[in-house]
Amino acid sequence: EVQLVQSGAEVKKPGESLRISCKASGYTFTSYWISWVRQVPGKGLEWLGRIDPTDSYTNYSPSFQGHVAISADKSINTAYLQWSSLKASDTAMYFCARHPAMSGWLFYWGQGTLITVSS
Amino acid sequence: DIQMTQSPSSLSASVGDRVTITCQANQDISNFLNWYQVKPGKAPKVLIYDASNLASGVPSRFSGSRSGTDFTFTISSLQPEDVATYFCQQYDNRVFTFGQGTKVEIK
Repeated sequence: EVQLVQSGAEVKKPGESLRISCKASGYTFTSYWISWVRQVPGKGLEWLGRIDPTDSYTNYSPSFQGHVAISADKSINTAYLQWSSLKASDTAMYFCARHPAMSGWLFYWGQGTLITVSS
Repeated sequence: DIQMTQSPSSLSASVGDRVTITCQANQDISNFLNWYQVKPGKAPKVLIYDASNLASGVPSRFSGSRSGTDFTFTISSLQPEDVATYFCQQYDNRVFTFGQGTKVEIK
């Protein structure tokens, strides 16, 4: 069974750093890319970027380029989303999802990680 | 950048009604469009992929179609469990884009 299990909710202050994780199981981790998607409370879905776990190639939405970093450790089947300096506007639910390399079929999703940034 | 314009932003319909949501792309994206259902506190669920293909396990009352750069998502007979927000998503290029979402409620 394909599973993407995300790390737990976080409460942080503006300016703090954070890394959340997405651990994959039930398939060959390097056979699919991982994307990160967020949903601000009461708002729509936004795609942040994606990573090829084989070689850690990434590409980002222009809206998030430079503000988040996506990485992966294929030895432990885990992808990460990282901030070096959080803002209050980063408060959202963050999801990871897997998809084939040349496709946007987001068929399998993690359960979501709620990030709250508040002073 | 590819932009997706989704409408309406919300709708209210009776159980059994036919519900239609549209997404328009600002350039040709072929059939590279998916539809998702999002319920509060849950991960999105894919319903339709590649414009008109029903995802596995999804009830047949859900359907999708394409005409040029216009995409239509239809619920043929609205059920109480369909209360959710629905999003389109294009994946034609290296950047994925979601529509603004349509909140569906029961009248």
